[in-house]
Amino acid sequence: DADVTQTPRNRITKTGKRIMLECSQTKGHDRMYWYRQDPGLGLRLIYYSFDVKDINKGEISDGYSVSRQAQAKFSLSLESAIPNQTALYFCATSDGTSGLYNEQFFGPGTRLTVL
Amino acid sequence: TQLLEQSPQFLSIQEGENLTVYCNSSSVFSSLQWYRQEPGEGPVLLVTVVTGGEVKKLKRLTFQFGDARKDSSLHITAAQPGDTGLYLCAGAVDDYKLSFGAGTTVTVRA
Repeated sequence: DADVTQTPRNRITKTGKRIMLECSQTKGHDRMYWYRQDPGLGLRLIYYSFDVKDINKGEISDGYSVSRQAQAKFSLSLESAIPNQTALYFCATSDGTSGLYNEQFFGPGTRLTVL
Repeated sequence: TQLLEQSPQFLSIQEGENLTVYCNSSSVFSSLQWYRQEPGEGPVLLVTVVTGGEVKKLKRLTFQFGDARKDSSLHITAAQPGDTGLYLCAGAVDDYKLSFGAGTTVTVRA
């Protein structure tokens, strides 16, 4: 079984709708991240969390919110989706004890289309 | 603005040829990672380089970290179709944040 899972894998929604993307991990890592990937722009950090009580904004958090329900679960919400939020979304985890390496492990991604 | 610039953006070669992908920055990184991403999947970590001038080999892949820890290269010898994918470099800005390059799409034709 995959260590980092994301649901749904694909989603098409309409402008103005609320949508939630979910991420679960079995790696036992404390740190979890949400990224979006756009062609030619690479991966950009939306939010990250060091533990259940610690949530931090990344470089592009506007229009997004997150919830860390448990060590293993980290969800991303779009309160009112807009077309420029169409992208690939990735969840990732890392072991906070790895020091400066910050090696991250990614889920398979969610392809979101906002019409 | 991305801290890391990757070149080339696209690379298409014949099976058996060699290729090099570059990752450059004006910033110094404590470590640098290379990931490979296949269509429909998330990035998978290939290697982490930490020391300036470090060279690591993973079968036919050779990774080098620049002496000043600002740049890196990935060289693939005798490329195979299974090497096809998007190659991403990522620099550790601190102990929790990675800055990713935009990626190089490599296609190896059989």
